[in-house]
Formats: sequence, structure tokens, C-alpha cells
Amino acid sequence: AQSVTQLDSQVPVFEEAPVELRCNYSSSVSVYLFWYVQYPNQGLQLLLKYLSGSTLVKGINGFEAEFNKSQTSFHLRKPSVHISDTAEYFCAVSTPGGSYIPTFGRGTSLIVHP
Amino acid sequence: EAGVAQSPRYKIIEKRQSVAFWCNPISGHATLYWYQQILGQGPKLLIQFQNNGVVDDSQLPKDRFSAERLKGVDSTLKIQPAKLEDSAVYLCASSQNRNRGQSIQYFGAGTRLSVL
Repeated sequence: AQSVTQLDSQVPVFEEAPVELRCNYSSSVSVYLFWYVQYPNQGLQLLLKYLSGSTLVKGINGFEAEFNKSQTSFHLRKPSVHISDTAEYFCAVSTPGGSYIPTFGRGTSLIVHP
Repeated sequence: EAGVAQSPRYKIIEKRQSVAFWCNPISGHATLYWYQQILGQGPKLLIQFQNNGVVDDSQLPKDRFSAERLKGVDSTLKIQPAKLEDSAVYLCASSQNRNRGQSIQYFGAGTRLSVL
């Protein structure tokens, strides 16, 4: 069974500063990795995904993430954040085969201050 | 294309009452998921449908929760009777095909349930 750990429950940052949201996973087989964003009172929206190939994945809204197999990590980064990036961010993992049910982390609340 | 539709957006009930949530997935999406998201936690899968059949309901509390997708399109999730710990946001998601792990899930806005 796979699991996901999001190491930070809350990350405060000032506008235009860079940010990194950390995600580590555990799985005995190869994985698919996802980052979702959830704005207040809304459902989850996919930011980016890693399925195979290049370990650096670029997503929407200027976010990117790097798959590191040796460290079992998939950290999310943005070089310069905006107030509008304030939201909850969820890392998720699923595995090929089986029922592909994704396992979500507990989420990281990104708070961007002016 | 229209997104995943859910209703109602909010529901407040007393414990031991029953409640139902409705979800209409994106047209053509064969796979439908119901998640429970308790405050401060990530979504937890309750049940997964492929067309009108149940693929996985291992985490559904079957003594009080039920779900159906009779015609393989829209779906209803019911709780009867509700408990205080059922207070959560219930998210519906759909994807094109469960047999492709990279199939992206699209989420609805959710139904926020408060059990008093």
C-alpha cells in the first residue's frame, strides 16, 4: 500500500517570494504522483502530474515539481508567489495496476502575505 | 465542457437524520468517485464506480452509508442515520477510465455537511 506525507501543515510566505511545499511518498512499486490545489469552498484542481519520463514536471499557474526516486519525494515549487496562490495544496500518489485509487496527503496550507 | 456538478452545496442536519447527496459527472466519464474530506485532512475515498458497477467500496461504512449509480451516469450518496463524526465535505470526482492510472480526476465543488 502506498502512503503520502506532507511535512508542513502550514507554510506562510510573503508575496513574490519563492516557495517549496514538501511531499514524500512510500510505495513498493512504481508510482504516479499528483499535486492538487483547493481554493476555499471549491473542489480540488489538478496542478501537475508525474507519470513517467522527465523528472521535472511543469504545471499550471507557474508551479513545478521534481520527482526524486532516491529520496521518494515530489516537492512542489514556485519561484514567485502571488496573493491568489493562497490555498490548500494536496499531494497524491497512485500505482499502476490494481484500482489506481489515489492516496492523498493531509494537505499544506499556503498563506501568502502582502 | 461542463464540470462535475454536485448538490446541495451545504446541508445541516441533526444526528440520526438521513441525508442524500447528488453528483453528475463530466459527460462520457466512466469512472465516478465519492470522497469524504474531514476538516484538516486530505480526501479519503469512500466508493468508486466504473459505469454502474462498484469497483471499490472497502472504506465505505456500509452500516450507514450507501451509494448508487444506477444508469452509469449520475450518482447518489446517502447517509442514514447520520452521526456527528460524519460532518465533512463530500467530494465527487470523475475520470475517463480507471484502467489508466494517469487518467485525471476532475472534482466537483463538494457538499459541506454539518451534523448537529
